[in-house]
Amino acid sequence: DAKTTQPPSMDCAEGRAANLPCNHSTISGNEYVYWYRQIHSQGPQYIIHGLKNNETNEMASLIITEDRKSSTLILPHATLRDTAVYYCIVNKGGSEKLVFGKGTKLTVNP
Amino acid sequence: GAGVSQSPRYKVAKRGQDVALRCDPISGHVSLFWYQQALGQGPEFLTYFQNEAQLDKSGLPSDRFFAERPEGSVSTLKIQRTQQEDSAVYLCASSPDRSIYSSYNEQFFGPGTRLTVL
Repeated sequence: DAKTTQPPSMDCAEGRAANLPCNHSTISGNEYVYWYRQIHSQGPQYIIHGLKNNETNEMASLIITEDRKSSTLILPHATLRDTAVYYCIVNKGGSEKLVFGKGTKLTVNP
Repeated sequence: GAGVSQSPRYKVAKRGQDVALRCDPISGHVSLFWYQQALGQGPEFLTYFQNEAQLDKSGLPSDRFFAERPEGSVSTLKIQRTQQEDSAVYLCASSPDRSIYSSYNEQFFGPGTRLTVL
């Protein structure tokens, strides 16, 4: 079973920040938080990952709480092309398989 | 460069037929994964290869499912005597050789093969 809990759906206005929450209260000390997204009819795409520090790349920012039991993926200026299902995954890294839940369906509205 | 490719993109099979789904990973990628995605669900792990060795097949739902990667590059997922519950999108992903101590676990996914069993 997936070790994460996400809201099933969220809406965001184009140009605004999208903040996607994820609960992972049973995360262990050697597990990372990964985010992937899946645009309709495509395979999942890696976005970002982190252990305990906040992370930022060209796609998004990842904020992890100090107790590591939850995190938030931030898309700073959402566009229509960001409409997708976003998956939060905990994983030990290396060559471990990904365990997906149902994710959050983000709809960016014009 | 070229990403992960899968063929066919769509496959319709009659119940009881055998099917073969192909995955061409990114050149040089050591790890290869197969996932099954039912409609409205997240992908579920089927099996994992490191080069030609199948290290984990715990997700294969029955002995009708068989995967191989004989030369450590192209992989084929075969489903024998297909059933309606096999209808799903089958995703292949590859990742480069990373130390088991590395946090970096980006898997590169193909577009998937949509299998419909009638």
